Amino acid sequence: EVQLVESGGGLIQPGGSLRLSCAASGFNVSSNYMNWVRQAPGRGLEWVSVFHSDGRTYYADSVKGRFTISRDSSKNTLYLQMDSLRAEDTATYYCAREVVTVFDDALDVWGQGTMVAVSS
Amino acid sequence: SSELTQDPAVSVALGQTVTITCQGDIFKYYFASWYQQKPGQAPRLVIYGKNNRPSGIPDRFSGSTSGTTASLTITGVQAEDEADYYCNCRDSSGNHLGFAGGTSLTVL
Repeated sequence: EVQLVESGGGLIQPGGSLRLSCAASGFNVSSNYMNWVRQAPGRGLEWVSVFHSDGRTYYADSVKGRFTISRDSSKNTLYLQMDSLRAEDTATYYCAREVVTVFDDALDVWGQGTMVAVSS
Repeated sequence: SSELTQDPAVSVALGQTVTITCQGDIFKYYFASWYQQKPGQAPRLVIYGKNNRPSGIPDRFSGSTSGTTASLTITGVQAEDEADYYCNCRDSSGNHLGFAGGTSLTVL
């Protein structure tokens, strides 16, 4: 069964760090584009970062320089290292597999999400 | 950056047809994907590409694009279709994804 399971969320003080994990089963993380998407309470979806199968990484302007996406092929797991956290980073964080063609992208597999709350 | 816009809310009577639209210049070049999200659940892909449905998505869901407008149409709306719907596309750099603000669909 194709599945993603996130973990690592919690309550953290402003300025702190947290590392989220996304364990995949049924497919290889390293062979796919893998994304992090977040959703603040009561708000819409916001794309955060992507790890391409060729190793390239990209970030939303709102997290660039503070968040780092990585993967461990041996563990078939995607990570999001979040540093210098701010209150506005409070959200549910989802990992999602991206299927890419020339003219479209689709996030076809999503995890259940892990909540991050940044507060003093 | 991504500039995609959706109407915040739409309502439709049970059994009728509803179209949810998403505006963006990027649709002149790329197709949208559409996601359904119910309260407390993760988003679920319902339409991608020109008009493709993942396995398990009912055929009452369809997609189309005209100019700078991408559309999601639900024909014969069911009560279980009440949810938030988001459109998504890559941005002009081709390296970032973007979401519109979402449309809350109410089934009357």
